[in-house]
Amino acid sequence: ETGVTQTPRHLVMGMTNKKSLKCEQHLGHNAMYWYKQSAKKPLELMFVYSLEERVENNSVPSRFSPECPNSSHLFLHLHTLQPEDSALYLCASSQDEMRGADTQYFGPGTRLTVL
Amino acid sequence: AQSVTQLGSHVSVSEGALVLLRCNYSSSVPPYLFWYVQYPNQGLQLLLKYTSAATLVKGINGFEAEFKKSETSFHLTKPSAHMSDAAEYFCAVSVPLGGAQKLVFGQGTRLTINP
Repeated sequence: ETGVTQTPRHLVMGMTNKKSLKCEQHLGHNAMYWYKQSAKKPLELMFVYSLEERVENNSVPSRFSPECPNSSHLFLHLHTLQPEDSALYLCASSQDEMRGADTQYFGPGTRLTVL
Repeated sequence: AQSVTQLGSHVSVSEGALVLLRCNYSSSVPPYLFWYVQYPNQGLQLLLKYTSAATLVKGINGFEAEFKKSETSFHLTKPSAHMSDAAEYFCAVSVPLGGAQKLVFGQGTRLTINP
């Protein structure tokens, strides 16, 4: 595998289910990100981890819970979601050597549908 | 606070015509600016970025962008559109965030190429 991978690519869940999204980066980067992309809003940053520590929690509801066990893996745990949480969830990573000028590399996303 | 505005949510051009996608930014500090492209059912891919070196930045697939501080603009151009350029394009500004960075995206511009 190369770049940033995400699993599953598609997920349908009920409002009472618990599920997890997985992201893995094969680039040796030290920062990872979760973004939400919905039809009517710009891309929204949800969480940022740098060296496995969370540095941003962008006012995200507690029904979304991130986990970064090491610099290569990032999870997003989901529980009791709402239909408005249906969106494309994108993971990204970056090396963060250039103080804001680094390129973020994105995975293909997980298309989440909440029924 | 840093922000980005993309003028035109949809742009349509004929194959072989000039492509011009507009991006204006707001930043209290010298910005790092990015253009990303998203093809259907895929994540975002970097086209090019401005990191305070040359004001004319060349990217992949024949795209380029010019940073104009006086106009707070970073418009994306390509001299001759190809059918494969049909995609959604996002302009973003980077905000340093602890040991990582935060990308603030514009609303996106969907580019359609007419044969």
